[in-house]
Amino acid sequence: DQQVKQNSPSLSVQEGRISILNCDYTNSMFDYFLWYKKYPAEGPTFLISISSIKDKNEDGRFTVFLNKSAKHLSLHIVPSQPGDSAVYFCAASWASGTYKYIFGTGTRLKVLA
Amino acid sequence: DAGVIQSPRHEVTEMGQEVTLRCKPISGHNSLFWYRQTMMRGLELLIYFNNNVPIDDSGMPEDRFSAKMPNASFSTLKIQPSEPRDSAVYFCASSSKGKSNQPQHFGDGTRLSIL
Repeated sequence: DQQVKQNSPSLSVQEGRISILNCDYTNSMFDYFLWYKKYPAEGPTFLISISSIKDKNEDGRFTVFLNKSAKHLSLHIVPSQPGDSAVYFCAASWASGTYKYIFGTGTRLKVLA
Repeated sequence: DAGVIQSPRHEVTEMGQEVTLRCKPISGHNSLFWYRQTMMRGLELLIYFNNNVPIDDSGMPEDRFSAKMPNASFSTLKIQPSEPRDSAVYFCASSSKGKSNQPQHFGDGTRLSIL
């Protein structure tokens, strides 16, 4: 039973355009969401997070949107750069779960120069 | 500022052997997590510790797996005996848990191959 789903295993985007990565979740108890980026042979690196009391959080070129009614979040990268090519994981946690993370299976983003 | 340090980076061993993976969390972090990444199941949480105490080990696949955290700066994940299906990348992560949720910081993982 996968509580956090990333239905697109891969995505290709032209440099300079917007990349949109999507994530769906099923557990309404989740109250904190994160995106991690992972390069080959490295560990995941924290990118951006959002609390369930917000619907948007922005950090430079990265914006995360949360739609609680649809149980959906997305990561927007504008403009996309070749260095953004990586695997992106979304994760969810909940306070009553003592902040344990549930990860999605990842989306491989390729930004074409 | 050192991040989470894992050793070894790669381990190749024969089925039946004991395997020990090591992790040094970021200094001052009081929570430590062990994950396994496979193609089929993605990143799965195996066990996590808070203040050196195991809080949730429901992700540990079976009794062959065990984890310890003898002090705040060191943890081990042991597999005995190892099997080919244990081949995966194992990550350790740490975080500082207070009233607010702080992101977990990951090490670069140990790539384990059981022949």
